[in-house]
Amino acid sequence: DSGVTQTPKHLITATGQRVTLRCSPRSGDLSVYWYQQSLDQGLQFLIQYYNGEERAKGNILERFSAQQFPDLHSELNLSSLELGDSALYFCASSVATQGAEAFFGQGTRLTVV
Amino acid sequence: QQQVKQSPQSLIVQKGGISIINCAYENTAFDYFPWYQQFPGKGPALLIAIRPDVSEKKEGRFTISFNKSAKQFSLHIMDSQPGDSATYFCAASSWGLTGANNLFFGTGTRLTVIP
Repeated sequence: DSGVTQTPKHLITATGQRVTLRCSPRSGDLSVYWYQQSLDQGLQFLIQYYNGEERAKGNILERFSAQQFPDLHSELNLSSLELGDSALYFCASSVATQGAEAFFGQGTRLTVV
Repeated sequence: QQQVKQSPQSLIVQKGGISIINCAYENTAFDYFPWYQQFPGKGPALLIAIRPDVSEKKEGRFTISFNKSAKQFSLHIMDSQPGDSATYFCAASSWGLTGANNLFFGTGTRLTVIP
């Protein structure tokens, strides 16, 4: 168990809908990262938050947004969903230092039908 | 553009053999190179990591070899076991000026160890 909790584990929704994925980082970790894993794109970095503020942005679509709350949990919001958004979404957390180990959650499998 | 290139895509090794996975990168700002192991239905888990100031790091049966001038690094799994069958990802990150150490992943290698 990595200590990173993601909910829900599975999500099935229709095209055009909006969903929210939730992540609770390991105790003491201030940094949260979101990654998307798909068969054709592999593991892609989406966005990083550190202590409530956006720290880095990757290949995140404009339809997607995230935030980190004062209790350090994070939510990834996906809207106007398309079939191609079906993927595994992972949250990871780390202490915000150079080369810090990132601990990954079990992921949320999103299926858009 | 794939920042970290990984090969092979799949690998089949006999039990007791050596598994070797290779990765290459272009960005010289990368300063942390971890390897992750992922089992089906699970999130990636850190296996071993190296900084560019050393050429090799060994932890048990797992060794990273790092060639800074060639911008390449590899994972060697000695005495491979069926329980090692998983997908392995190399990755790289750069602390840089922003303190952002998000990971750039390779495309993964599916390792199968035959009993």
